Amino acid sequence: DTGVSQDPRHKITKRGQNVTFRCDPISEHNRLYWYRQTLGQGPEFLTYFQNEAQLEKSRLLSDRFSAERPKGSFSTLEIQRTEQGDSAMYLCASSLVNGPYNEQFFGPGTRLTVL
Amino acid sequence: GQQVMQIPQYQHVQEGEDFTTYCNSSTTLSNIQWYKQRPGGHPVFLIQLVKSGEVKKQKRLTFQFGEAKKNSSLHITATQTTDVGTYFCAGQGGSYIPTFGRGTSLIVHP
Repeated sequence: DTGVSQDPRHKITKRGQNVTFRCDPISEHNRLYWYRQTLGQGPEFLTYFQNEAQLEKSRLLSDRFSAERPKGSFSTLEIQRTEQGDSAMYLCASSLVNGPYNEQFFGPGTRLTVL
Repeated sequence: GQQVMQIPQYQHVQEGEDFTTYCNSSTTLSNIQWYKQRPGGHPVFLIQLVKSGEVKKQKRLTFQFGEAKKNSSLHITATQTTDVGTYFCAGQGGSYIPTFGRGTSLIVHP
């Protein structure tokens, strides 16, 4: 499968715990996005990378959220001290800068439940 | 900041009827994209519009970008049960940050 993959697909955690999600983009894609989606809403932009550079992170929901893309390939999203309000689907998407259609390819998402 | 409003939130149609969803941005857009998300699935890219007044067709789907590049619409002719899902518009302004609308959920009754 050459699409975007995310791991884990589901995560259940207790309030106060830290969680980390991984995203593997399509191999030749140099741009990677993280979104949060809650029920009945569209994807909400969190941050994005171009290669290993994080070009926008002001939309991360709080200082408990951080993301990395150390070698310009896979990325991780960490949430520290989780709260019940963090329960949501976390989506990753990748795209090719200056590609013909500028389309984003989304992964299947990681569903987070905070108890 | 940039806001993208999408209406209606839900639309029930009988199979064979037409469907339209509308997207309005608070600011002028560089481009607008449309995505479809099936129940339990992830968003899948449909199309990107860039030019003022642009109209693009994909089989039974017609996409329009307004002259002022602040609004867009998606029209489906003669809906089928396979069209079921939520349709999102995503607008980009001067930055590369896409702002998604809330989506329109299409329910097709056979």
